[in-house]
Amino acid sequence: EIVLTQSPGTQSLSPGERATLSCRASQSVSSSYLAWYQQKPGQAPRLLIYGASSRATGIPDRFSGSGSGTDFTLTISRLEPEDFAVYYCQQYGSIPKTFGQGTKVEIK
Amino acid sequence: QVQFVQSGAEVKNPGASVKVSCKASGYIFTNYAVHWVRQAPGQRLEWMGWINPVNGNTHYSQSFQGRVTFTRDTSATTAYMEVSSLRSEDTAVYYCTRDLFGSSEPFEHWGQGTLVTVSS
Repeated sequence: EIVLTQSPGTQSLSPGERATLSCRASQSVSSSYLAWYQQKPGQAPRLLIYGASSRATGIPDRFSGSGSGTDFTLTISRLEPEDFAVYYCQQYGSIPKTFGQGTKVEIK
Repeated sequence: QVQFVQSGAEVKNPGASVKVSCKASGYIFTNYAVHWVRQAPGQRLEWMGWINPVNGNTHYSQSFQGRVTFTRDTSATTAYMEVSSLRSEDTAVYYCTRDLFGSSEPFEHWGQGTLVTVSS
């Protein structure tokens, strides 16, 4: 099983600032089958990034993903008020499809 | 548009069973595997497994093998997830989602979630 570890656990930032979230895998993620999701309280997760760096449909270009192998990053270039949420990474290339424990981006 | 509508919240006693439904629409139901994901309060998302709507074949994550059963009704384009012998640790929101069977895809479309509370 691929274990995903996200850091930091919480990031306190102000609107307009840049957020950088990390996801580290216990073994290489095949073919960069790495996704990022945003989740707000009481809502289902929303797909942001797939294939490590491709934006899902309708996702603003302030969200970008990078990385390969075991180290991946989600960057939000300028935080908007609606971006404060919890972010999860997921590897979907091998079974079981595992998620990280999440990074909360909160308003400073 | 692709949509999943799940059944409503449930409150169950320990030892009981619960069955959650997931009505799919907006796509060909038999072209996609239906996956289930659990999220306990304040916890990470946990992938539970999938069902192939064509033949009913299932795959369960090791963590959920034994007390969880996936079924489907293709005529109703609905998938079901049943948990038996409920324990307090099963208190969680359960989501259904999908991916193209036989491929590796992220989960783009999700149900709204069903909260199952296990309490005496």
